[in-house]
Amino acid sequence: NAGVTQTPKFRILKIGQSMTLQCTQDMNHNYMYWYRQDPGMGLKLIYYSVGAGITDKGEVPNGYNVSRSTTEDFPLRLELAAPSQTSVYFCASSYIQPGLAGWGGTDTQYFGPGTRLTVL
Amino acid sequence: KNEVEQSPQNLTAQEGEFITINCSYSVGISALHWLQQHPGGGIVSLFMLSSGKKKHGRLIATINIQEKHSSLHITASHPRDSAVYICAVSADSWGKLQFGAGTQVVVTP
Repeated sequence: NAGVTQTPKFRILKIGQSMTLQCTQDMNHNYMYWYRQDPGMGLKLIYYSVGAGITDKGEVPNGYNVSRSTTEDFPLRLELAAPSQTSVYFCASSYIQPGLAGWGGTDTQYFGPGTRLTVL
Repeated sequence: KNEVEQSPQNLTAQEGEFITINCSYSVGISALHWLQQHPGGGIVSLFMLSSGKKKHGRLIATINIQEKHSSLHITASHPRDSAVYICAVSADSWGKLQFGAGTQVVVTP
């Protein structure tokens, strides 16, 4: 198993450009998450998905969009990149027993290697 | 105010020393996670616990639910333990985590 893979590893964008960060997992996990990590700060949740076709906002969703058309893939779209979006982006996945997640169910999250994005 | 606080922010130890990292949280949780972020940036999960104590090799994690506090101990530390250790809590539904800012650990030979 490759686990969680992310592409690209690094990217430099100009202000106003758009791009998609790719995330794929091969563990048949139902839950997937996008986080951003800024220097000296804890990871913050951007968006998450509880299954194909179902996504929801996290703590810092502004400026981002997601989709989940398959169990395996959870791309993150940046529209009109801004310097404030300079960060390291991590995708993660987890399997949570259906029916338990809404009641505080949780399990180990598996993280991708990250994408380092700079917006100039 | 962050609901998950870690201390210390930075820690330097000599090889062989016993290391303790603390995590306090202010919300009710279903579980607490300890993660390790390698110098290259990759993040791996070390422990998930909701009560008591877990041990894996030289790493021990404990949690006191009543006091809303967890500790991660590294026994007989080694330079390869140098990393950022992150505490996170599952305080909400849908597996969402709230993270501490991390503790940078450096172990010198």
